[in-house]
Amino acid sequence: DGGITQSPKYLFRKEGQNVTLSCEQNLNHDAMYWYRQDPGQGLRLIYYSQIVNDFQKGDIAEGYSVSREKKESFPLTVTSAQKNPTAFYLCASSMYGGGYNEQFFGPGTRLTVL
Amino acid sequence: GEDVEQSLFLSVREGDSSVINCTYTDSSSTYLYWYKQEPGAGLQLLTYIFSNMDMKQDQRLTVLLNKKDKHLSLRIADTQTGDSAIYFCARSGSGTGRRALTFGSGTRLQVQP
Repeated sequence: DGGITQSPKYLFRKEGQNVTLSCEQNLNHDAMYWYRQDPGQGLRLIYYSQIVNDFQKGDIAEGYSVSREKKESFPLTVTSAQKNPTAFYLCASSMYGGGYNEQFFGPGTRLTVL
Repeated sequence: GEDVEQSLFLSVREGDSSVINCTYTDSSSTYLYWYKQEPGAGLQLLTYIFSNMDMKQDQRLTVLLNKKDKHLSLRIADTQTGDSAIYFCARSGSGTGRRALTFGSGTRLQVQP
């Protein structure tokens, strides 16, 4: 089955530690995205990548880093510089090109900083 | 104000119609989307509308777009308890540089039996 997987589903981190969230897709999509969701708020864009080996900052990139070495994978690292990292993180992907941009979402990773 | 705005909460009785509203500021968006999120899960695309359309119907879902007022609505007919979820309105990015969507804060729909 084609789709997007995120792992782990739940993640706990101590303050001062970096942590990496995994996102993999087998939809052959060019573009991938990371969003952060906080209670009662919409999704805010952290980073996005339209093609392998290229990525762009979103609206809240500070304290996060990404890489896009393979088309299928777009891992997100939450660094110790992120002041309030506890949130629900969603990864998405879409075909690139044209105006219609349906994004397919993974199941999310809930990160809690202890 | 926010780029895409939605009311936070809507409560309806099972069998009634639900109408979820959304307003946006960027009139250059080509497509507008409605996504559904069930508890603890990712988002699922429900429907979308192209900006040159006024209405789109898909089974129990009706999307209305008023471009003049920059207002989008999602009507769910015969609402069921399984429709309880958070509904997000989203618009496509403007220009060709940014492909990510801009989301509203989401409307939590509660369906009472």
